[in-house]
Amino acid sequence: SQELEQSPQSLIVQEGKNLTINCTSSKTLYGLYWYKQKYGEGLIFLMMLQKGGEEKSHEKITAKLDEKKQQSSLHITASQPSHAGIYLCGADMRGYSGYALNFGKGTSLLVTP
Amino acid sequence: DADVTQTPRNRITKTGKRIMLECSQTKGHDRMYWYRQDPGLGLRLIYYSFDVKDINKGEISDGYSVSRQAQAKFSLSLESAIPNQTALYFCAPPPFAQPQHFGDGTRLSIL
Repeated sequence: SQELEQSPQSLIVQEGKNLTINCTSSKTLYGLYWYKQKYGEGLIFLMMLQKGGEEKSHEKITAKLDEKKQQSSLHITASQPSHAGIYLCGADMRGYSGYALNFGKGTSLLVTP
Repeated sequence: DADVTQTPRNRITKTGKRIMLECSQTKGHDRMYWYRQDPGLGLRLIYYSFDVKDINKGEISDGYSVSRQAQAKFSLSLESAIPNQTALYFCAPPPFAQPQHFGDGTRLSIL
């Protein structure tokens, strides 16, 4: 079941611009995971957020978890071509199928020169 | 060494054939998961295992079976492959195994 909504579905930004991807859950989040995927390749783990209000950063990527809103955002500052790919959020909704993650459909990011 | 290794990386087969995708892990995870990814649909859970004797169906298990031969090995089988099973398949450890490393995936095409 798709209980996680990602927006936007796709995004084209000019190099150097900032962007934000959102992930909204219809149920309580016990953990939210962000991944990046190059087209047709494996998933690269970016960050895990567990506590309401938690914010983590890695290089130019920052993720926040708003527990009350059951939402997480991924913000990229000064985008580069290397940021292009598909970004996926996965949620631990506790009790769902042996604590497997429930994934959003992904956001496709293209960074143009 | 990769935490999770999937073989083969790519496979093309014909409708009706039986095929097995293999997954091995080196970190001693009790729980393991199989997902499939279709364009625009994210990842969906096929099967998961808590240990060698505990196998459970996920969201889309029809047409698939799994075996957990040992803690380190978790195989996914398509008994009689059909074209709509063409997808990218991933094996994964539990999300709380940090850092979590998915397998590199198996790209399966069924003609």
